[in-house]
Amino acid sequence: EADIYQTPRYLVIGTGKKITLECSQTMGHDKMYWYQQDPGMELHLIHYSYGVNSTEKGDLSSESTVSRIRTEHFPLTLESARPSHTSQYLCASSEAGAYGYTFGSGTRLTVV
Amino acid sequence: RKEVEQDPGPFNVPEGATVAFNCTYSNSASQSFFWYRQDCRKEPKLLMSVYSSGNEDGRFTAQLNRASQYISLLIRDSKLSDSATYLCVVTEYGSSNTGKLIFGQGTTLQVKP
Repeated sequence: EADIYQTPRYLVIGTGKKITLECSQTMGHDKMYWYQQDPGMELHLIHYSYGVNSTEKGDLSSESTVSRIRTEHFPLTLESARPSHTSQYLCASSEAGAYGYTFGSGTRLTVV
Repeated sequence: RKEVEQDPGPFNVPEGATVAFNCTYSNSASQSFFWYRQDCRKEPKLLMSVYSSGNEDGRFTAQLNRASQYISLLIRDSKLSDSATYLCVVTEYGSSNTGKLIFGQGTTLQVKP
């Protein structure tokens, strides 16, 4: 049973729309992450957070933004979606840094 | 050059075969090492951590060679259920605590009956 939830699982949206991808975890983890994965390619870290009111950009430049107002919630927002944003977005949380990672099921985003 | 390099495969093997995957990483200061498994269109899941002394978990054996910056995964007695993509994952020095993982592209394994 998943302890980290992502919604929606699939999203098809038009260019220029604002979207928010939701990620919530019930494990009380301080560390949370967003990764982006194109088909057949490696995951890239785009955002991470060490706790409430802490957010940092990852290694891959992204036009998305994140917020961390509550420990359990780490949403990702695209102000104006473009076809280049089409990808899978995976949220994760961790109890102890690199050890104890749990990934959500992901959101497959298609921008048309 | 990618930070973590893997042969994407696919590796097609019969049930019961032994198969080995390799991975190289570019940063000699990398600190922690893992193998993850990712099923088609699913999220990655931790298969095992990799330790310098080598470690085994059932049919799976992982090895780390820091001098050559090389990680391996050996699967013995392959099962149909082992069919998946295997991701080599490392952390930068000082990032084991922060949890910033660096992923390889993955190696795809198909086990045939």
